[in-house]
Amino acid sequence: DVKVTQSSRYLVKRTGEKVFLECVQDMDHENMFWYRQDPGLGLRLIYFSYDVKMKEKGDIPEGYSVSREKKERFSLILESASTNQTSMYLCASSPPTGNTGELFFGEGSRLTVL
Amino acid sequence: QQQVKQSPQSLIVQKGGISIINCAYENTAFDYFPWYQQFPGKGPALLIAIRPDVSEKKEGRFTISFNKSAKQFSLHIMDSQPGDSATYFCAASIEGNTPLVFGKGTRLSVIA
Repeated sequence: DVKVTQSSRYLVKRTGEKVFLECVQDMDHENMFWYRQDPGLGLRLIYFSYDVKMKEKGDIPEGYSVSREKKERFSLILESASTNQTSMYLCASSPPTGNTGELFFGEGSRLTVL
Repeated sequence: QQQVKQSPQSLIVQKGGISIINCAYENTAFDYFPWYQQFPGKGPALLIAIRPDVSEKKEGRFTISFNKSAKQFSLHIMDSQPGDSATYFCAASIEGNTPLVFGKGTRLSVIA
């Protein structure tokens, strides 16, 4: 079975803290993505990567950065967490079939920033 | 131009009824239109997808209808069941160019 694992399901952090959200996939996929899910706003793309050490900004990259040192791991970093970053974060991966390959999502990391 | 507009935001359907969710897009370069299904506490999962060279695709009780001239596509769930209660997202992309753009989602509740 294909699997995308997000290391933390629930996190509570304080304003100004640095936050790391980790994502690992075991499908040898080239493409990885970080989305943010908020009620009424759907899924919004934060960053994506088509290869190791490569990253591209999505629609809402402000306040976030990413790291992809290994093919299977894609990390989302909040340099200084703010309350408006309280959200559900979803990691996904897909094979290199252009942009029409199936996205495989993790179960999400729910972050609360106090 | 990158937006995909989805409606309704929520939907309540009787068991056995037909659930219909609609999406509209502006970018005529989009050439791949998937639907994702998300159950509470889980990540979204691909349900069914269509390309614009066909007007309809059916998989079991799920059908995508595609209207290229109107730039609209819709998901029909026939004989809706309580187990279909989930959030549904439409999406679109340009093959080989951009990542998926998602609609805002529809929360479907199927009641007995």
